[in-house]
Amino acid sequence: DTAVSQTPKYLVTQMGNDKSIKCEQNLGHDTMYWYKQDSKKFLKIMFSYNNKELIINETVPNRFSPKSPDKAHLNLHINSLELGDSAVYFCASSKGTSNLDTQYFGPGTRLTVL
Amino acid sequence: AQSVTQLGSHVSVSEGALVLLRCNYSSSVPPYLFWYVQYPNQGLQLLLKYTSAATLVKGINGFEAEFKKSETSFHLTKPSAHMSDAAEYFCAVTGGSARQLTFGSGTQLTVLP
Repeated sequence: DTAVSQTPKYLVTQMGNDKSIKCEQNLGHDTMYWYKQDSKKFLKIMFSYNNKELIINETVPNRFSPKSPDKAHLNLHINSLELGDSAVYFCASSKGTSNLDTQYFGPGTRLTVL
Repeated sequence: AQSVTQLGSHVSVSEGALVLLRCNYSSSVPPYLFWYVQYPNQGLQLLLKYTSAATLVKGINGFEAEFKKSETSFHLTKPSAHMSDAAEYFCAVTGGSARQLTFGSGTQLTVLP
C-alpha cells in the first residue's frame, strides 16, 4: 500500500491554464506539506496543514492555493500557470507538527508548463 | 534562521569504496538534522536523523552520520558503496520553533563499477 500518493505523476499543460494536483496519505498523520523542487533539485516548503488548518504558508504566489478537505488529503490548485511553475511538486505527511516527526514523501508530480 | 550547505553537488565513488557526503549547517538554536535519499523518479526517503541523543546516528542501508557541534557538520558515510546507493542525497535542518525542514541543495552520488 502506498503511504503517500499523488496524482497525476506527470502533468503537461499550457501557460495560463489552471490545474490541480491531489495528495492522499493513509498513515493516519495529522500534518501534510507541499514542497517544490526546482530544476536544480533545490527543495523548498510551500505550505503545511495540520488537521485541515494552514500552519505554514511560505512566500508563494497567490496563484497557488492549497485545500485540505480532510486530514488525509491536501490538494494543490494552481491558477494561471506560468513557465516558472515547471518543477516537481512533492507532497509529504508527518504524525504531528513537531520538528522531530519524520516526514514521509510522495513520489512527486512533474509539472511542465509550455 | 537555519541553513544547510552540502559540499559537492556530485560525488563519484567506486563500488566497495567509502562514501562520504558532506553537510554543514547553520542554526541559532540546537539543531535537528536529517539525511534523506531520493532515488530516480521517486520521493524522498529518510535515511537517518539526529535529535540530540547520540552524536553517531545509524540509519538504513548501512549509512551513518556523526553530529559534530564544533565543526557544525553532519557528514554522511557508508563504509562500502553498492551500485544501488546511486541516488540524490539531501541534508536538512530544523529546530527551535521552526516547523519546517530546510534542505540543502543535494549531492548526486554515482557509484562506478
